[in-house]
Amino acid sequence: DVKVTQSSRYLVKRTGEKVFLECVQDMDHENMFWYRQDPGLGLRLIYFSYDVKMKEKGDIPEGYSVSREKKERFSLILESASTNQTSMYLCASSLWGGTSYEQYFGPGTRLTVT
Amino acid sequence: AQSVTQLDSHVSVSEGTPVLLRCNYSSSYSPSLFWYVQHPNKGLQLLLKYTSAATLVKGINGFEAEFKKSETSFHLTKPSAHMSDAAEYFCALSGNTGKLIFGQGTTLQVKP
Repeated sequence: DVKVTQSSRYLVKRTGEKVFLECVQDMDHENMFWYRQDPGLGLRLIYFSYDVKMKEKGDIPEGYSVSREKKERFSLILESASTNQTSMYLCASSLWGGTSYEQYFGPGTRLTVT
Repeated sequence: AQSVTQLDSHVSVSEGTPVLLRCNYSSSYSPSLFWYVQHPNKGLQLLLKYTSAATLVKGINGFEAEFKKSETSFHLTKPSAHMSDAAEYFCALSGNTGKLIFGQGTTLQVKP
């Protein structure tokens, strides 16, 4: 079974702090994704990566950056956390090369910024 | 532009009765379509996917969905709801880069 793990289930940070969210997948997938999920808004793509050191902006990249130094690991960075970044963050991975490949999701990190 | 619309934000059924969750899509080419389920405080789990083979797709836990190109729909059904089906359900469409475009989600409530 594909396994996608996220470093924390719950995280509380203060405004202005630098925050790192880590995601690891064990299926040698090329693609990795970061989403945020907010009530009534569904899932919105923040960034995705289709290879090591490669990244592309999603729909809402402002205030976020990412890092992918190894194929299995994709990190989301909040350079200076703000209260409007309080949300559920979901990581996902998939194979590259077609539109029929499903994404596999981690359990999510619920981040609260106070 | 591609988009996904889930027609109901909230659906309530009684245990043992049928479930219908509606999803319409817009795409300029033949899409791959997915249904995911999310139980409280969990990640998303794939229920089923359509990838241009059979238009009636069977998934896990007794769910199925029918791809109707003429109606641009991909509705999710289950003949008999269980209490454990209470969750949020997301319809998604695959873009040409492998990204998924999600609908807003439908919360399914199952009453005893």
